[in-house]
Amino acid sequence: DTAVSQTPKYLVTQMGNDKSIKCEQNLGHDTMYWYKQDSKKFLKIMFSYNNKELIINETVPNRFSPKSPDKAHLNLHINSLELGDSAVYFCASSPVPGESSYNEQFFGPGTRLTVL
Amino acid sequence: GDSVTQMEGPVTLSEEACLTINCTYTATGYPSLFWYVQYPGEGLQLLLKATKADDKGSNKGFEATYRKETTSFHLEKGSVQVSDSAVYFCALSHNNNDMRFGAGTRLTVKP
Repeated sequence: DTAVSQTPKYLVTQMGNDKSIKCEQNLGHDTMYWYKQDSKKFLKIMFSYNNKELIINETVPNRFSPKSPDKAHLNLHINSLELGDSAVYFCASSPVPGESSYNEQFFGPGTRLTVL
Repeated sequence: GDSVTQMEGPVTLSEEACLTINCTYTATGYPSLFWYVQYPGEGLQLLLKATKADDKGSNKGFEATYRKETTSFHLEKGSVQVSDSAVYFCALSHNNNDMRFGAGTRLTVKP
């Protein structure tokens, strides 16, 4: 019944490693997102993606890359992890613009990434 | 660009106290406005929303009214419970690809 799921829930890794966080949604939505939440709870949009367009927040380092194998999945790959990447990462999805609730986003439970 | 400003926390209240968390926005046109809630260790959940001026969103005893004249969407609850302890985010959106969140306000309700 989970609408937006993420794995893993916790990820602890060393600096310099490459890691991936997976996200899946079973809501049939066309648009998915990745957000980064820092220790002060500030939310920053990283990417939004649908099958037509990838929109990248220009402040996101190119070490971060979204990969979408299909409409229901948007994975986040991070290369050469740095200490400052430690945060909670949230995946979200929303329906196609024009539907009744088109601009509501549904969030996953988050992945807490700790870089040592 | 569009932005959301909400009152800084943390806010600490006793059970059954009244709650107001202020939120103001800057935006072109007529965005939709939202309040999301994040309980400890969880993701954000939509609490309520309003899509046009003078609309009132309400859920779980919380309510907020879309005030275009004051560009505000203040969150209110008449009697808070311990279970309302969470971080509350005000947000606005014109479309799917551009939802802007406020900085979040942490609420702690003590018994």
